[in-house]
Amino acid sequence: DIQMTQSPSTLSASVGDRVTITCRASQNINIWLAWYQQKPGEAPNLLIYKASTLESGVPSRFSGSGSGTEFTLTISSLQPGDFATYYCQQYNTYSRTFGQGTKVEI
Amino acid sequence: QVQLQESGPGLVKPSETLSLTCRVSGASVSSGNYYWSWIRQPPGKRPEWIGYIFYTGSTNYNPSLESRVSISADKSKNQFFLRLTSVTVADTAVYYCGRDALDGIDNWGQGTPVTVSS
Repeated sequence: DIQMTQSPSTLSASVGDRVTITCRASQNINIWLAWYQQKPGEAPNLLIYKASTLESGVPSRFSGSGSGTEFTLTISSLQPGDFATYYCQQYNTYSRTFGQGTKVEI
Repeated sequence: QVQLQESGPGLVKPSETLSLTCRVSGASVSSGNYYWSWIRQPPGKRPEWIGYIFYTGSTNYNPSLESRVSISADKSKNQFFLRLTSVTVADTAVYYCGRDALDGIDNWGQGTPVTVSS
C-alpha cells in the first residue's frame, strides 16, 4: 500500500496569509495526486488533480505542485472560507489512499 | 448537475451486514469514464477508500477490507450498492458514495452516518 503523510497536522494562520501544506508519498506516484478541502459536516471537495490542475470553479488562489513523492498545496492569500481541513489523495494505482489531513485554523 | 445520495440504516449490530445504496442523478453508472466509489470517514479521522465499481461490472477493493466488502450496481435504476459483512465498532463512520473521475473524486454524496453498536 502507498502511504500518504501530510505536514503540518495543524496550521494556524490569518486572513491574507500565504499557506503551504506538504504531502509525501511512500513511493513514486508521478503526478497522480489530488487535493481536497473539507469543512465540518460536509463531504470533501476536490480542489486540484494531477498534482497541479485546478478543478473547475476553484479559486485561483489555490495551487498545487510536485511530482514523484513530494507535493505541495499553496493558498496564496487565505480567505475566511478557507479555514478547513485539507487532504491529499494518491491515485497512482488501482487503489486510493488519503493523507491524514491538515487543519488550517485561525 | 450530478447528484449522489446515500441511504441505508444508521445503526447496525456487531457481526451483522451493513448495506447501503447510492442513487445517482445527472450521470449514468453505465458511463465508461468513471469509477463509482464508496469512501468512509471515521469520526475525527481521514477518509478511507473502500472500493469502486466500473461500468463493466469490474470492481476493486481496499485490501484491508477485501474479505468483507462487495460493491454492485443496478444500471436500470442508476444505483450502486455497498455490502460490508461482519461489522465491528471499528466500522463506525460516515459513509460516502462518490464519482471517481480517474483524476480525483469530483462528486460526493452528502454522507450517511453508520454506527455499529449492540
